[in-house]
Amino acid sequence: GENVEQHPSTLSVQEGDSAVIKCTYSDSASNYFPWYKQELGKRPQLIIDIRSNVGEKKDQRIAVTLNKTAKHFSLHITETQPEDSAVYFCAASIQGAQKLVFGQGTRLTINP
Amino acid sequence: GAGVSQSPSNKVTEKGKDVELRCDPISGHTALYWYRQSLGQGLEFLIYFQGNSAPDKSGLPSDRFSAERTGGSVSTLTIQRTQQEDSAVYLCASSLYPGAGEAFFGQGTRLTVV
Repeated sequence: GENVEQHPSTLSVQEGDSAVIKCTYSDSASNYFPWYKQELGKRPQLIIDIRSNVGEKKDQRIAVTLNKTAKHFSLHITETQPEDSAVYFCAASIQGAQKLVFGQGTRLTINP
Repeated sequence: GAGVSQSPSNKVTEKGKDVELRCDPISGHTALYWYRQSLGQGLEFLIYFQGNSAPDKSGLPSDRFSAERTGGSVSTLTIQRTQQEDSAVYLCASSLYPGAGEAFFGQGTRLTVV
């Protein structure tokens, strides 16, 4: 079955700098890659997702890139703000056919 | 309701007692997941239901854990003979189709075994 590895487990950046979180997956058939953000004491919520027919997707300060050949995808947050502090989870699945498999999570801390 | 609803939101139980946790997914969602999250840790997969297919129970940590989903809607997670290490937040999520689009999470049930 699918296995998703996520790095780093913790990340601390200065406010205004960029943050990058990386994930690798094992099943070359996977074609859907969402990212979830979990603020302290709250439920995980989807922030951005990408499907395998595109290599990059942006939404304001957040972008996700996908390299299908290498089987890895990354979350990029630019101009980080204190409210970006949270735990971020990547996931992978075969859309319509397979459950979501989550990475281990990255705790991002934005230092003022 | 519009979202995934879990009950109770908090549960304190004595070691050795059985507990039932409930999840009401979004209406029409065919896929339902249960996860366990210990303090500061990641999402530990427990079980996955998809339509009328046999559930994927590969994440259940022991035979004390079981789950069912009745009529393709409400799901209950049962933990028998609870142990202190079962203390965690139990999260339920649902999505329209397997792996398709957003998986919506409930607010979780915080279980404390004393």
